[in-house]
Amino acid sequence: SQQGEEDPQALSIQEGENATMNCSYKTSINNLQWYRQNSGRGLVHLILIRSNEREKHSGRLRVTLDTSKKSSSLLITASRAADTASYFCATRGNNRLAFGKGNQVVVIP
Amino acid sequence: NAGVTQTPKFQVLKTGQSMTLQCAQDMNHEYMSWYRQDPGMGLRLIHYSVGAGITDQGEVPNGYNVSRSTTEDFPLRLLSAAPSQTSVYFCASSYSRGGRPTEAFFGQGTRLTVV
Repeated sequence: SQQGEEDPQALSIQEGENATMNCSYKTSINNLQWYRQNSGRGLVHLILIRSNEREKHSGRLRVTLDTSKKSSSLLITASRAADTASYFCATRGNNRLAFGKGNQVVVIP
Repeated sequence: NAGVTQTPKFQVLKTGQSMTLQCAQDMNHEYMSWYRQDPGMGLRLIHYSVGAGITDQGEVPNGYNVSRSTTEDFPLRLLSAAPSQTSVYFCASSYSRGGRPTEAFFGQGTRLTVV
């Protein structure tokens, strides 16, 4: 079964605004990861948060993880036009990395 | 380092034909995986490997075979192509930390059309 369901599926924001995406999953995990995919390209890893961590920062990215609710959120602050992409959460468990359906984010200059 | 290299980038097959999608990584990663990406479906795991000589099925393995004879290579074989296998295929590799796989490094994808 597919892990990871992101909400919302599509997001359109003005440059400079913050973008928030949520992800829920169903089974126990070792870690949760977020990836970005630009149109027609491969996925690029953004950030990894372990199951014993609650929050992690990397540059303009902030990830939270709530294992009791089996959910995570990705916040991109001060968005830029270059942040326009699809964003996927992925959960790692039993050596498998399972992806959600993705969020399409459009940042309007 | 070239990272993860997939060939070919584009391929058109006729129904019933077979072919092999190639994937090679030069980072000495233990873990390698194949995914397919279809519109609205995200990425679905086809097969994965935790090391040379070890492979296992993912979420959607039917119609595909894999082998892992070396650490570097992880080819995906389509046995008898069907239109339902039209998709974009991604190969990914991961290194191990503390005995567990970490983040995945992706190739640029192979866009396959079966007519």
